[in-house]
Amino acid sequence: AQKVTQAQTEISVVEKEDVTLDCVYETRDTTYYLFWYKQPPSGELVFLIRRNSFDEQNEISGRYSWNFQKSTSSFNFTITASQVVDSAVYFCALREGNFNKFYFGSGTKLNVKP
Amino acid sequence: KAGVTQTPRYLIKTRGQQVTLSCSPISGHRSVSWYQQTPGQGLQFLFEYFSETQRNKGNFPGRFSGRQFSNSRSEMNVSTLELGDSALYLCASSLVDRRETQYFGPGTRLLVL
Repeated sequence: AQKVTQAQTEISVVEKEDVTLDCVYETRDTTYYLFWYKQPPSGELVFLIRRNSFDEQNEISGRYSWNFQKSTSSFNFTITASQVVDSAVYFCALREGNFNKFYFGSGTKLNVKP
Repeated sequence: KAGVTQTPRYLIKTRGQQVTLSCSPISGHRSVSWYQQTPGQGLQFLFEYFSETQRNKGNFPGRFSGRQFSNSRSEMNVSTLELGDSALYLCASSLVDRRETQYFGPGTRLLVL
């Protein structure tokens, strides 16, 4: 079974629209970390956010916000007022326990059209 | 501060050959992890090194190996290349006491013909 599921393969929006990228994870560990990474066409994965399992507070950083809900094992990512530069593939990832082994979702390709 | 660097950026090999990829971590980062990214399998963890020792390993055959040097630079080697080894190989580095936060390099794109 997939440990990290990103059901949305590709999303297209028009600039200035809000968009939410879904991430559902599966783990039996009580201690774990969740991440979001952005991968532009250049290929390099850009770190966006890290959240540990004991911190369920939502976070906002500029136009980005994250909603972590342990009850539904979800860690969703919202971009407000999207811009063309947000076009990329976004990956959600899980790191369990003390092992530095990451499980990545299959990614969601976001297309923001002008 | 310079980011993670990987060399070469692009590589073309033929089946049966072997290849060595290099990764230089961010200065001060002593943990280096390697990932393979393919359209079919997505991003998969290969292995992690710090203090010149392999700490974690993913589910890859023994043809995939790595090592780390005393300056934290790391290399990964793939022997007896197969067509399915064509992929983007990403390296990530982190501080040893903050290994959960990884910073990725631009990757090496390997094409096996």
